[in-house]
Amino acid sequence: AQSVTQLGSHVSVSEGALVLLRCNYSSSVPPYLFWYVQYPNQGLQLLLKYTSAATLVKGINGFEAEFKKSETSFHLTKPSAHMSDAAEYFCAVTAGGYNKLIFGAGTRLAVHP
Amino acid sequence: NAGVTQTPKFQVLKTGQSMTLQCAQDMNHNSMYWYRQDPGMGLRLIYYSASEGTTDKGEVPNGYNVSRLNKREFSLRLESAAPSQTSVYFCASKERGIYNEQFFGPGTRLTVL
Repeated sequence: AQSVTQLGSHVSVSEGALVLLRCNYSSSVPPYLFWYVQYPNQGLQLLLKYTSAATLVKGINGFEAEFKKSETSFHLTKPSAHMSDAAEYFCAVTAGGYNKLIFGAGTRLAVHP
Repeated sequence: NAGVTQTPKFQVLKTGQSMTLQCAQDMNHNSMYWYRQDPGMGLRLIYYSASEGTTDKGEVPNGYNVSRLNKREFSLRLESAAPSQTSVYFCASKERGIYNEQFFGPGTRLTVL
């Protein structure tokens, strides 16, 4: 069965600092992985997705993630945090014959001046 | 394109009342999904419809029913609401294909007293 673990329910960084949000997955089949962002009182928006074409994936707003099969990880990074990055971030893995997604519990990112 | 739309945005029910949450998408997607979001638990799949005419249970289907009315519309019904169903409900849609991401609606915030 597929599952996703996001380490750290809350992460706080200073503006301009590196952002690192951790995601580890478990999958019995080759996984496809997604990062979504949720701003307050909104739905989820896709940040980036891993589809096996390349292990380093670049997304919107300067975010990127690296797929590491040996570590079963897909951590999200951004070199320099902006105040506008404050949101909740969800990692997800495909399941159920690739028809469904299994979401992690989410990481709330706070950015302070 | 409006994308995925949900009605209502907010709803307060008393225990035992029934209601239907509506979802529509204008992207001609084959698959549609209903999730609930609770603090610290990420998004959990209630029901999904891989294509018009089919529906399947997700992780937490108890207390809910769904109808795929046509390709555009997928409704979620609570027959007898309970306080445990207080949550934010999201509808999503996806085009067929293992690499394709899900697109989310803005959500319905439901409170059951």
